[in-house]
Amino acid sequence: EVQLVQSGAEVKKPGESLKISCTGSGYSFSNYWIGWVRQMPGKGLEWMGIIYPGDSDTRYSPSFQGQVTISADKSNNTAYLQWSSLRASDTAIYYCARRQYYWNSAGLDYMDVWGQGNTVTVSS
Amino acid sequence: DIQMTQSPSTLSASVGDRVTITCRASQSISTYLNWFQQKPGKAPNLLIYAASSLQSGVPSRFSGSGSGTDFTLTISSLQPEDFATYYCQQTYTTPQTFGQGTKVEIK
Repeated sequence: EVQLVQSGAEVKKPGESLKISCTGSGYSFSNYWIGWVRQMPGKGLEWMGIIYPGDSDTRYSPSFQGQVTISADKSNNTAYLQWSSLRASDTAIYYCARRQYYWNSAGLDYMDVWGQGNTVTVSS
Repeated sequence: DIQMTQSPSTLSASVGDRVTITCRASQSISTYLNWFQQKPGKAPNLLIYAASSLQSGVPSRFSGSGSGTDFTLTISSLQPEDFATYYCQQTYTTPQTFGQGTKVEIK
């Protein structure tokens, strides 16, 4: 079974650092992009960025560039999302998802498998 | 960034109704358009990819159409388990932006 399993809920204080993880199984992790999506309380989905674990090629949304770091360790089939200094406004659920991308087929670019989500709460 | 605008934001419907949700892109995105369903406390679930292709395991009452800037998601006969929030997403270019969501409520 193809699945992405994310690390557990986190409660942090403003200014603290954090690294959350997303571990894939049931498929060749290195060969599929992993994306990260934010959902703030009661709000919609926001695309943060993507990484290709095979070579760590990474793309960020301008809204999140410089605010978070996306990384991956292909030897552990794990992608990461990290913050160096959290703010209260980082309180959200963060999802990872596998990207299916067929570069030579129009329209075939979609996130088909999602993790269960990481709830991150930042409060003093 | 490409802006994705869904309408309506909220939709009240009854079981058995035919439901249509629209999504408009701020520029042409060909058929790089996906639809997701999200239920409270759950991760999004892919319904439709490439504007009109049904994801494996998704009931055939869901269908998608459109190309360029205008797209629709149709539920042919609304079932109790379909009450949820629906999002479109463009993957034509990064950032791969989502619409603001359409909540389908029980009438």
